[in-house]
Amino acid sequence: GQNIDQPTEMTATEGAIVQINCTYQTSGFNGLFWYQQHAGEAPTFLSYNVLDGLEEKGRFSSFLSRSKGYSYLLLKELQMKDSASYLCAVRLSNNTDKLIFGTGTRLQVFP
Amino acid sequence: DGGITQSPKYLFRKEGQNVTLSCEQNLNHDAMYWYRQDPGQGLRLIYYSQIVNDFQKGDIAEGYSVSREKKESFPLTVTSAQKNPTAFYLCASSILPGGDTQYFGPGTRLTVL
Repeated sequence: GQNIDQPTEMTATEGAIVQINCTYQTSGFNGLFWYQQHAGEAPTFLSYNVLDGLEEKGRFSSFLSRSKGYSYLLLKELQMKDSASYLCAVRLSNNTDKLIFGTGTRLQVFP
Repeated sequence: DGGITQSPKYLFRKEGQNVTLSCEQNLNHDAMYWYRQDPGQGLRLIYYSQIVNDFQKGDIAEGYSVSREKKESFPLTVTSAQKNPTAFYLCASSILPGGDTQYFGPGTRLTVL
């Protein structure tokens, strides 16, 4: 079966740094996506990793280790608007459109 | 403005009725997808389509049907055979099948009474 694990909830303080982890055990791997989803809204694309290493995009960075089946999303200089769910998703192969999603991590940022 | 639209935002239906959810995109994307999201669960793929007049079942296709008669449209029908239809339904699209980021519409929250 396919399995993607993320913490259910996290809290952090405005201005701080938070790391959201994602581990996966899937039958194939062709890239890992991170999406942000505010309550009741559509997921919005944050990052994509297919090779090992760190991808930095402004305040957000994403890291991938394929040998460990592990990724993290790093959010710096947290703002109140970063309070949302963060979804980790794995694409199984380049011959399929299937994305397997984790249950998401709900992040609450406090003043 | 280019994007993906879903209508309506909220939909209420009586048990036993079929209901069709709309998804339209003007991004010229080839691939389109339907997901279902339930509280505490990840998004689950219902159906996807890589090209006009063709579509594939996802992981939870039972009780649903789709059509892809036009590139820009991918409506989802929730039939009376779907046992637990109340959920948040999300449509997505990508430029090419299998090799690109999926972008999501705003979603339709369906409540069956």
